[in-house]
Amino acid sequence: GEDVEQSLFLSVREGDSSVINCTYTDSSSTYLYWYKQEPGAGLQLLTYIFSNMDMKQDQRLTVLLNKKDKHLSLRIADTQTGDSAIYFCAERYSSASKIIFGSGTRLSIRP
Amino acid sequence: EAGVVQSPRYKIIEKKQPVAFWCNPISGHNTLYWYLQNLGQGPELLIRYENEEAVDDSQLPKDRFSAERLKGVDSTLKIQPAELGDSAVYLCAVVAGEETQYFGPGTRLLVL
Repeated sequence: GEDVEQSLFLSVREGDSSVINCTYTDSSSTYLYWYKQEPGAGLQLLTYIFSNMDMKQDQRLTVLLNKKDKHLSLRIADTQTGDSAIYFCAERYSSASKIIFGSGTRLSIRP
Repeated sequence: EAGVVQSPRYKIIEKKQPVAFWCNPISGHNTLYWYLQNLGQGPELLIRYENEEAVDDSQLPKDRFSAERLKGVDSTLKIQPAELGDSAVYLCAVVAGEETQYFGPGTRLLVL
């Protein structure tokens, strides 16, 4: 069935790298997304990767896609306090314009 | 969030009362979504519009929820009557660019 799994929490020290992991089920997914949600706000699109790519880098963000294992990760370099938020992984099914979201990973930054 | 306005931002009602949410995206977005987000969860699709047509409403509880998108721009989502379990954040999103969704800030509903 349709499912996107993420770990619930991640705590990192300020200045270190954060790696948020996600697994998904649909091998025919076309796009995979990472969204950021701060308290009281909607979801902000951070980055996305097309399924025929292995990696995408955008400033401090690096997305890695392992299609064989259906594993997606988001690496945030030099994590700052402003990166504290909930990060959602999402996949878009090729059969329909439907996007399935994970439950989110809460990233907390310690000094 | 740029380009998608939702109102009200917060709403508190008693159970069995009706409630309505509005989504006002800037024009030019053919595809519009309503999502429900429970605490600690990701968004779950309620309904998807292509212009004025609801093309996927399979997850919409039709006994109490209704939605419309007149003229293919603004949209409303209504619950009548509201139940305690409807307390959640209701998010509106539109598609732009390479099949990417842009979300509004949401309406936080509390049913007492």
